[in-house]
Amino acid sequence: DTEVTQTPKHLVMGMTNKKSLKCEQHMGHRAMYWYKQKAKKPPELMFVYSYEKLSINESVPSRFSPECPNSSLLNLHLHALQPEDSALYLCASSQRDRLYSEAFFGQGTRLTVV
Amino acid sequence: DQQVKQNSPSLSVQEGRISILNCDYTNSMFDYFLWYKKYPAEGPTFLISISSIKDKNEDGRFTVFLNKSAKHLSLHIVPSQPGDSAVYFCAASFGNEKLTFGTGTRLTIIP
Repeated sequence: DTEVTQTPKHLVMGMTNKKSLKCEQHMGHRAMYWYKQKAKKPPELMFVYSYEKLSINESVPSRFSPECPNSSLLNLHLHALQPEDSALYLCASSQRDRLYSEAFFGQGTRLTVV
Repeated sequence: DQQVKQNSPSLSVQEGRISILNCDYTNSMFDYFLWYKKYPAEGPTFLISISSIKDKNEDGRFTVFLNKSAKHLSLHIVPSQPGDSAVYFCAASFGNEKLTFGTGTRLTIIP
């Protein structure tokens, strides 16, 4: 199983809503990531979890709140988002021994904030 | 400051010919380089990587070349197939620093 599964695939939310994005992998990877990708731009790193602990927060606004309940799951809780937060949110995972290398990406959640 | 650059936003190649995608970087600390392929509405898929101790790595139809003195890498796809049409991102890292992605090149294979 070399899959990273993200749900939902599409999400439309209002600026006052609270929603969560979910990510799951069963490859035994100990590093998991959230990326944000806008149209025609490269993926931008948001958060890194290593061994279920938050190791990197790339100065992401607090309206994005990550959570790693166990080594296979990664959530991104969303609250009071802005329209400019609309983007493709990608989850990825990789082996711990070379953080970031050969990361496997999920299909992404296309988020629209209205 | 764009440390990893892909100067060609798009490239069209005839099916069966060679596709060459280029990537330049400015940070001499980068020691690991990767290529990802991305179809619309999907996440990037890892293709091939190369460590800075090598200058070439091959995997089937895909070969990555690294020229450290020029801070340049390229991805060669031979022969090109219609399924290769996608956006290709190069990425670079050093140590455990984050992957820095290039801006991507859209490759179109013409049947």
